[in-house]
Amino acid sequence: QVQLQQSGPGLVKPSQTLSLTCAISGDSVSSNSAAWNWIRQSPSRGLEWLGRTYYRSKWYNDYAVSVKSRITINPDTSKNQFSLQLNSVTPEDTAVYYCARKGDIGYLDLWGRGTLVTVSS
Amino acid sequence: QSVLTQPPSASGTPGQRVTISCSGSSSYIRSNTVDWYQQLPGTAPKLLIFSNNQRPSGVPDRFSGSKSGTSASLAISGLQSEDEADYYCATWDDSLKGVVFGGGTKLTV
Repeated sequence: QVQLQQSGPGLVKPSQTLSLTCAISGDSVSSNSAAWNWIRQSPSRGLEWLGRTYYRSKWYNDYAVSVKSRITINPDTSKNQFSLQLNSVTPEDTAVYYCARKGDIGYLDLWGRGTLVTVSS
Repeated sequence: QSVLTQPPSASGTPGQRVTISCSGSSSYIRSNTVDWYQQLPGTAPKLLIFSNNQRPSGVPDRFSGSKSGTSASLAISGLQSEDEADYYCATWDDSLKGVVFGGGTKLTV
């Protein structure tokens, strides 16, 4: 059974970097058929896809235009996980952050439980 | 503002059939398949329908999806109290190379 386990701080100060990790069990971050995504959800913005990383003989990343200048998603093959870094955060980045897999069906067939991240001093 | 438009709310009584619509421009729904996600209170979204009308294993056949042109619909028949949740449509944005979501519909049973 595939599971995604999220970890990371729930409080980040403005202008600092938000960092979250998603550990994968039952699948591989290096899978040639999966893609590993980050999505966030807030009352003001709804569900917002942030970006993804995936391996197809080499590593690829795609990022949402809204955060492209501030975001990095990295795979960690040694720990079978992937991470999200969002720089220069503001209170507008306060949201529940989810990691999710694009597997064999649908766009996002498996989700982590979510992490509420509050940006506040 | 979401690129896919859903009604903010829907309601029904137990046993009824309800439908939730999702509309978007031709660059989204017409060009790609539509997923539906169910989000129960306090939980992460869960894939409910994929490829317009396919159900993942374990999803009851009371849930069905359809797509026509630039619109898609989710139908729930034999409504049950446990169906009370938020429902989101989603599709692929070829230029963004990412998923785009509807604003969500809160279903009250």
